[in-house]
Amino acid sequence: DVKVTQSSRYLVKRTGEKVFLECVQDMDHENMFWYRQDPGLGLRLIYFSYDVKMKEKGDIPEGYSVSREKKERFSLILESASTNQTSMYLCASTQGARGDTQYFGPGTRLTVL
Amino acid sequence: GDSVTQMEGPVTLSEEAFLTINCTYTATGYPSLFWYVQYPGEGLQLLLKATKADDKGSNKGFEATYRKETTSFHLEKGSVQVSDSAVYFCAFPPSNTGKLIFGQGTTLQVKP
Repeated sequence: DVKVTQSSRYLVKRTGEKVFLECVQDMDHENMFWYRQDPGLGLRLIYFSYDVKMKEKGDIPEGYSVSREKKERFSLILESASTNQTSMYLCASTQGARGDTQYFGPGTRLTVL
Repeated sequence: GDSVTQMEGPVTLSEEAFLTINCTYTATGYPSLFWYVQYPGEGLQLLLKATKADDKGSNKGFEATYRKETTSFHLEKGSVQVSDSAVYFCAFPPSNTGKLIFGQGTTLQVKP
């Protein structure tokens, strides 16, 4: 079974802190994604990566950056956390082209105080 | 632009009732269509998918048919169980990168 793990299930940070969310997949997938999930808004794509060291902005990249130094690991970075970044963050991976199933991690519930 | 619209929730049903969750999409071409489910406290997992027009995806008693004419992919189940209580997301990939566009999600609550 494909496994996507995220470093924390729950995280509480203070405004202005730098926050790292880590995601690891064990299936050698090419593509990895970071979404945030908010009630009534569904999932919105923050960033994605289709190869090591490659990244592309999603629909809501402002206030976030990402890093993919190894194929299995994709990190989401909040340079200076703000209260409006309180949300559920979901990582996903998929092997390749359009139509492939995405596999999701369990999510990180981030609260910024 | 590309988008997915789902019926608003929450949907509250009694056990063994019939379920329909509506999903319509706006897309270029004819992408694969997906339903994902999120059980409480978990990430999303694929429920079913259809890859071309008139295909029917099915899994765990759920079904959805790819309707090109009405650009719809409605989710149905004949007899829901309490264990089906979850949030359901309709989605499709708008490009060749594998990323997905999701609807806003529909919460289903099934009462015994």
